[in-house]
Amino acid sequence: AQTVTQSQPEMSVQEAETVTLSCTYDTSENNYYLFWYKQPPSRQMILVIRQEAYKQQNATENRFSVNFQKAAKSFSLKISDSQLGDTAMYFCAFMKRWKTSYDKVIFGPGTSLSVIP
Amino acid sequence: DTAVSQTPKYLVTQMGNDKSIKCEQNLGHDTMYWYKQDSKKFLKIMFSYNNKELIINETVPNRFSPKSPDKAHLNLHINSLELGDSAVYFCASSQDRGLSTDTQYFGPGTRLTVL
Repeated sequence: AQTVTQSQPEMSVQEAETVTLSCTYDTSENNYYLFWYKQPPSRQMILVIRQEAYKQQNATENRFSVNFQKAAKSFSLKISDSQLGDTAMYFCAFMKRWKTSYDKVIFGPGTSLSVIP
Repeated sequence: DTAVSQTPKYLVTQMGNDKSIKCEQNLGHDTMYWYKQDSKKFLKIMFSYNNKELIINETVPNRFSPKSPDKAHLNLHINSLELGDSAVYFCASSQDRGLSTDTQYFGPGTRLTVL
């Protein structure tokens, strides 16, 4: 069964600094998708960034970028120039095929990030 | 112009009651989902519907019954509520194209508290 692991339950970073959140996953699939979702105190789940496994180039989205290492099954999120609004739970997620044609997202346990002024 | 909306936002009820949570998406998506986030923040899928057809049904008690009157709505009805049902429930949707690779868009969540 596919699993997603986030080994850092809590992290903190000074405002304007850079922080990296780690994520590893286990799968026998070759084609899949990886995501980072952000859940602020408002509870809403917000997509931060997405990576297709068949693309070697790391995805970037403004201050957010990933380091995707397919062989190592690692998918870390780097947040540059951290802002107070980045304080949230961050979930790494893996999308696999389920049955024949529908996809099922598996979420990691989350990392609570606090940005300190 | 909220993309995925859920009502109510908060729901407090007594054990044994029956309650419903409603979800609507205005994105024109074909697939909708229900997730449960427990007290430890772990997020797990419960159900998925594609064009009103149930396609994912995880190991969820029969007391939970999703209902999709049309592809823009996926409601969650819970019978005989138990203390362990207390959680935040998220609705989500995605555009299905068969071998779907599309991102899921989440609603704001419904915090259910069973007393």
